Amino acid sequence: KAGVTQTPRYLIKTRGQQVTLSCSPISGHRSVSWYQQTPGQGLQFLFEYFSETQRNKGNFPGRFSGRQFSNSRSEMNVSTLELGDSALYLCASSHLAVDYNEQFFGPGTRLTVL
Amino acid sequence: DQQVKQNSPSLSVQEGRISILNCDYTNSMFDYFLWYKKYPAEGPTFLISISSIKDKNEDGRFTVFLNKSAKHLSLHIVPSQPGDSAVYFCAAMGGGSQGNLIFGKGTKLSVKP
Repeated sequence: KAGVTQTPRYLIKTRGQQVTLSCSPISGHRSVSWYQQTPGQGLQFLFEYFSETQRNKGNFPGRFSGRQFSNSRSEMNVSTLELGDSALYLCASSHLAVDYNEQFFGPGTRLTVL
Repeated sequence: DQQVKQNSPSLSVQEGRISILNCDYTNSMFDYFLWYKKYPAEGPTFLISISSIKDKNEDGRFTVFLNKSAKHLSLHIVPSQPGDSAVYFCAAMGGGSQGNLIFGKGTKLSVKP
């Protein structure tokens, strides 16, 4: 089975621009979660989608948004980029709808905001 | 306020010996715990998990222990190998927050040959 894929792997943007990141989960996985990793804050949860619905949301401003498509692929958008948005953005997918289970991570998208 | 804490930023161990990585949590609603390993420029890789109804889970060289009363868990790696050198993250889930893993800040393990 192919793993979680994320595109692009690297991205450079300037302040004020917007960016869209893409994530394709493992085949059959319906839950997709997004995380931001920075050196100071570690891995922080952004949001989680299941069956095209946002099921959970972390403590991030409204500039961060996401969506999930019917094939479970997910996109995350950041508008009006700030320098502090520079981070590794990780997507993770999991299989089961209800029971706790492990999340499988993609390689991440490294976003640099200049 | 950090709900999952890994108080040791780094750990150095000799090859063949035991590595013990520790993790503390504050939220009593957490009922599922996971350990991930992360290499630079890669996403975290799932290692092992434990439900709060258990106090131990073993998978090959990896064993996770959970002490609910102390809100503490630990990951034991025996024997340690140089390829185990990576950053290890403890994560917790629970309290209705499905799909939301709360991570510690990680411990960098170095296994010396």
